[in-house]
Amino acid sequence: DTEVTQTPKHLVMGMTNKKSLKCEQHMGHRAMYWYKQKAKKPPELMFVYSYEKLSINESVPSRFSPECPNSSLLNLHLHALQPEDSALYLCASSFGTSGRSFSNEQFFGPGTRLTVL
Amino acid sequence: DQQVKQNSPSLSVQEGRISILNCDYTNSMFDYFLWYKKYPAEGPTFLISISSIKDKNEDGRFTVFLNKSAKHLSLHIVPSQPGDSAVYFCAASAAGNKLTFGGGTRVLVKP
Repeated sequence: DTEVTQTPKHLVMGMTNKKSLKCEQHMGHRAMYWYKQKAKKPPELMFVYSYEKLSINESVPSRFSPECPNSSLLNLHLHALQPEDSALYLCASSFGTSGRSFSNEQFFGPGTRLTVL
Repeated sequence: DQQVKQNSPSLSVQEGRISILNCDYTNSMFDYFLWYKKYPAEGPTFLISISSIKDKNEDGRFTVFLNKSAKHLSLHIVPSQPGDSAVYFCAASAAGNKLTFGGGTRVLVKP
């Protein structure tokens, strides 16, 4: 299994809703990432989990709450989002932090297209 | 401050010819560079990478060149195929840090 899966593919939510995005990989990767991508822009890193512990939070607002229940799963809990949070949310994974490069090759999921009304 | 820049937002090339995508960076701490390809409504797909201890890495039709003194890397695709039409992102990382992406170059390969 060499892929990262994300559910749902599309999500429409109101500003008062609570929803969660899910990401799963079975490649034995120990680092997992959440990115946000707006149209015609590059992916922007939000969070990094390394060995199931949060290692990087790129000053993301608290209305986004990540969770890593185990080494294969990564969730992003959403609450009280704003319309400007509408974007493609990408999950990625990599072998981890060993070696010279922290990131190594990151493998991305297909993303969840989020629309906040 | 954009640490990784792709100055050409788009590139059009004839099928069978060479596509050359360029990327410049400013952070001398970057030691690992990657190229990703992205189709609409899909996540980026890893293509090829290069460590700063090398100046060239080749994988099939894809070759990445690194010029550390110029802080410049390029991706050569030869021969270009219609299925190569996509957005290409270059990305860089420093040891113990995150990936920083360039703005992307949209490639169109015309049959």
